[in-house]
Amino acid sequence: AQTVTQSQPEMSVQEAETVTLSCTYDTSESNYYLFWYKQPPSRQMILVIRQEAYKQQNATENRFSVNFQKAAKSFSLKISDSQLGDTAMYFCAFRPSNTGNQFYFGTGTSLTVIP
Amino acid sequence: GAVVSQHPSWVICKSGTSVKIECRSLDFQATTMFWYRQFPKQSLMLMATSNEGSKATYEQGVEKDKFLINHASLTLSTLTVTSAHPEDSSFYICSARDVAGGYNEQFFGPGTRLTVL
Repeated sequence: AQTVTQSQPEMSVQEAETVTLSCTYDTSESNYYLFWYKQPPSRQMILVIRQEAYKQQNATENRFSVNFQKAAKSFSLKISDSQLGDTAMYFCAFRPSNTGNQFYFGTGTSLTVIP
Repeated sequence: GAVVSQHPSWVICKSGTSVKIECRSLDFQATTMFWYRQFPKQSLMLMATSNEGSKATYEQGVEKDKFLINHASLTLSTLTVTSAHPEDSSFYICSARDVAGGYNEQFFGPGTRLTVL
């Protein structure tokens, strides 16, 4: 069974500061994809960043980067220079590469950026 | 990125009536679409996988006779909540798989808020 765990239900960060959201997962699959999605108050799911499990290099997208530790099954998201628009729910998601594209989502972390 | 639309964005209905929600992929073809349900401040729960031209695959515990899914074309999937009751009130989100993308990622619609009175 695949499970995704986000142990921080709520977090806050001062504007311009850096924050890290944690995510761990459990799987027996050897190849898979990992994603972070953002869900702002509008409820639209927005892809923030993605990582292929076979790539050792951590993915980076502007102010967003991940720390992917495959052996530890950890996939944390770092947001640098936090902005007010980063306030949202953040979901970590896992997708095995050899199934029907089903995503497994974590329970989410509510991030508030404080001005 | 690819765009997925949902219609309506918000619907209020009386208990016992049926409601249809549409999910469209606007600029790509989606052989597979997914329907999720999300309760307030909770994660997305996969309800069913919709495949073009075939029957949907429902997750355990989801009543297929209550949540009818039709994927009649490569750009449209519909979810019909039949004989809706207040406990069906929720936020419904669809997503579509863009096979042309290297990650086979899913693109999400903006969601539909259903309120059953």
